[in-house]
Amino acid sequence: QSALTQPRSVSGSPGQSVTISCTGTSSDVGGYNYVSWYQQHPGKVPKLMIYDVTKRPTGVPDRFSGSKSGNTASLTISGLQAEDEADYYCCSYAGSPWVFGGGTKLTVL
Amino acid sequence: EVQLVESGGGLVRPGGSLRLSCEASGFPFSTYWMHWVRQAPGKGLVWVSRINTDGSITSYADSVKGRFTISRDNAKNTLYLQMNSLRAEDTAVYYCARVYWNFDFWGRGTLVTVSS
Repeated sequence: QSALTQPRSVSGSPGQSVTISCTGTSSDVGGYNYVSWYQQHPGKVPKLMIYDVTKRPTGVPDRFSGSKSGNTASLTISGLQAEDEADYYCCSYAGSPWVFGGGTKLTVL
Repeated sequence: EVQLVESGGGLVRPGGSLRLSCEASGFPFSTYWMHWVRQAPGKGLVWVSRINTDGSITSYADSVKGRFTISRDNAKNTLYLQMNSLRAEDTAVYYCARVYWNFDFWGRGTLVTVSS
């Protein structure tokens, strides 16, 4: 049950695009289309941003998009805004357990 | 309105026990798998345990297997986590979450601190 691998931090300027990667194995990310992404602001509860690799819940801006290739999933945020600054976590079904990534801190410069 | 409200956290000595509760409302609790996820101070999210709709299937992270027990009472719309033999590394905010192939709703969490 190893955590999925995410970059510790990424940054971008307002209006730019950033991509956060999430690397697992064929037993989790590569084996199932149940990858989701969560945004967490400091002191707040995680919020679902992307589910089933590419789907957005109602109310999540279409600036957020997800994709997957092999054992790596990605979250892309386009048109960066100040309020996007937060921690982002990927998550994948892995058979019986579930596994989260270590988290990525997004800084909007 | 969907609500998940955790309770039962607190300060406990190493080797001690705590029972967390998560009271659900605003949705058909008995039709959802429920999970516990924890977050140590300044650290990331870590999946802890899950239980199916009628409580007959449970799963645990290796780090808590044999020490933690998840259960539910659908009549009371409540999820539980019995935590025994607690260690310092179990110190974290414990969240309950509603799951249908994704963690679509989370409670606010309850803080568990294991320290002498």
